[in-house]
Amino acid sequence: DAGITQSPRHKVTETGTPVTLRCHQTENHRYMYWYRQDPGHGLRLIHYSYGVKDTDKGEVSDGYSVSRSKTEDFLLTLESATSSQTSVYFCAISGPYSYEQYFGPGTRLTVT
Amino acid sequence: AQKVTQAQTEISVVEKEDVTLDCVYETRDTTYYLFWYKQPPSGELVFLIRRNSFDEQNEISGRYSWNFQKSTSSFNFTITASQVVDSAVYFCALSEADTGRRALTFGSGTRLQVQP
Repeated sequence: DAGITQSPRHKVTETGTPVTLRCHQTENHRYMYWYRQDPGHGLRLIHYSYGVKDTDKGEVSDGYSVSRSKTEDFLLTLESATSSQTSVYFCAISGPYSYEQYFGPGTRLTVT
Repeated sequence: AQKVTQAQTEISVVEKEDVTLDCVYETRDTTYYLFWYKQPPSGELVFLIRRNSFDEQNEISGRYSWNFQKSTSSFNFTITASQVVDSAVYFCALSEADTGRRALTFGSGTRLQVQP
């Protein structure tokens, strides 16, 4: 199994508070991704990174920011959480020579 | 823009039946990759298979088989002699190779329930 961890695994927060989710990998892979999973939508890309300090937006990036200061860590921040950001968040990684992605265990975030 | 459609929202079968999960995709790229992932009730996402756009050979892995047809833009997944452990949500996904972004576009998933 790919070495990917996410923290926290569960979080409940109030509307308007900042939240940071962490993804940590031990595979030294260049590409990292954040997706959110909502009923009826499958998984949708929020942001991705193709190297340290190199990030770009996905299809549902509004209200989210990311940072990657080290190869192994990719942080997702909700600057001011809203109820519409209640979701399950998955981090994924992929290696330099393959296109398949391997996913972390997910973080269930509830914004009340 | 690319798109993946899984028209079957939910399928219920009885154990030992064969079942096919449909996947239709849209892309303007000439080089792309197709994937299937399994999400069991425990919630993790498990990679099952990757297919390259230039390789239309069908693939079989145990009870699983995949039928890729570029002419109909389809990448269907068949489980033969289904088992209760196959109960899960299955996602089809597409990645365009030309942009170098490598992000996956997912279908909305098909929930498969295998009854004993």
